[in-house]
Amino acid sequence: SQQGEEDPQALSIQEGENATMNCSYKTSINNLQWYRQNSGRGLVHLILIRSNEREKHSGRLRVTLDTSKKSSSLLITASRAADTASYFCATDAYNNQGGKLIFGQGTELSVKP
Amino acid sequence: DTEVTQTPKHLVMGMTNKKSLKCEQHMGHRAMYWYKQKAKKPPELMFVYSYEKLSINESVPSRFSPECPNSSLLNLHLHALQPEDSALYLCASSQVPETGHTDTQYFGPGTRLTVL
Repeated sequence: SQQGEEDPQALSIQEGENATMNCSYKTSINNLQWYRQNSGRGLVHLILIRSNEREKHSGRLRVTLDTSKKSSSLLITASRAADTASYFCATDAYNNQGGKLIFGQGTELSVKP
Repeated sequence: DTEVTQTPKHLVMGMTNKKSLKCEQHMGHRAMYWYKQKAKKPPELMFVYSYEKLSINESVPSRFSPECPNSSLLNLHLHALQPEDSALYLCASSQVPETGHTDTQYFGPGTRLTVL
């Protein structure tokens, strides 16, 4: 089964509100990454958090990682219509073959103006 | 230049056709990837090339044949595909990851493939 599971599957908010997406995974990891995908397009890397980090910020993004619970969250603050996209977490297994990312099912975010 | 380009953007092919998808990057990355993505699903890894050698094949059917002619180019040759192979095919590149680790991957815009 997939390494990463995300919830919610879909999220609809108003512009200016915050959006929180959660990701859970099954095995030990070296790092966890978040990607954004606009409809039918390629993925854009947002942030990478290592297993020895607990929180990381990048602009309006805040990512947390709890390795004891095998979970991560992505918070987008002061959302904009342009944030409308699918968001995926991706993990590598601790002893995986180098380069193999396993993606969660994704959260579809809709930000209404 | 942090761009990964893919051609063509769209491809329609019959089940008896032979076609190729192309991917190019000029970031000096020595790891390149092919992913398949169905609608409303996450990308699924197909192949990984590291230093122009195939390092991971995720049990992909032989009707998909990857090729890495040099460090900047990655091809995916298609032959005798099935309608269920219709999907978005994504190419990505990265620094060669350390053993057991992954690195940030840079994705191209994808090729939308339709098999009739």
